[in-house]
Amino acid sequence: DIQMTQSPSSLSASVGDRVTITCRASQGISYYLAWFQQKPGKAPKSLIYAASNLQSGVPSKFSGSGSGTDFTLTITSLQPEDFATYYCQQYNTYPFTFGQGTRLEI
Amino acid sequence: QVQLVQSGAEVKKPGASVKVSCKASGYTFSSYGITWVRQAPGQGLEWMGWISAYNGDTNYAQKFQGRVTMTTDTSTSTAYMELRSLRSDDTAVYYCARAPSDWGQGTLVTVSS
Repeated sequence: DIQMTQSPSSLSASVGDRVTITCRASQGISYYLAWFQQKPGKAPKSLIYAASNLQSGVPSKFSGSGSGTDFTLTITSLQPEDFATYYCQQYNTYPFTFGQGTRLEI
Repeated sequence: QVQLVQSGAEVKKPGASVKVSCKASGYTFSSYGITWVRQAPGQGLEWMGWISAYNGDTNYAQKFQGRVTMTTDTSTSTAYMELRSLRSDDTAVYYCARAPSDWGQGTLVTVSS
């Protein structure tokens, strides 16, 4: 199985900050990488697909980049509603594994 | 709009089976696959498998091979996930998704004696 490793596992930031979360795949996955946001008690919400494509309705403060094995999710101008847990997921090879998550805290 | 509505919470004893349903609406059911993901309490997301609603093809995570069966009923636009030989560490919220953008609300399955 392809292992997805996110860093950091947790991150403290302030309203208005810009943050970057990294996701590394144990082998190349081209651009088949998605990012999700999850809030407590809620289903995950899709933010980014194909490494850098914004899901419909997602604000442009979220952006993704990378290909191969190294990917990043950047969030600018943090607002209170952005504090959540973020997951990456590869969908290049079955099983479509998730990273362990990054908890973004105020 | 696309909606995936899952069945309600379940409490099962170890060794039992559970079958979670996921009723889809707002799109042509047979044109997309359904993915099942679970999340144990306080833990991350775990991909369980995928089923094509077009022809029933499946792909299961090795971890669940032999214990899970995913099916669909195109007449009711409903997907099902059955997990057998339940253990306490199967306690989790189970999600169906029309990946990546549309998710069900989740079904809590508690396995306890």
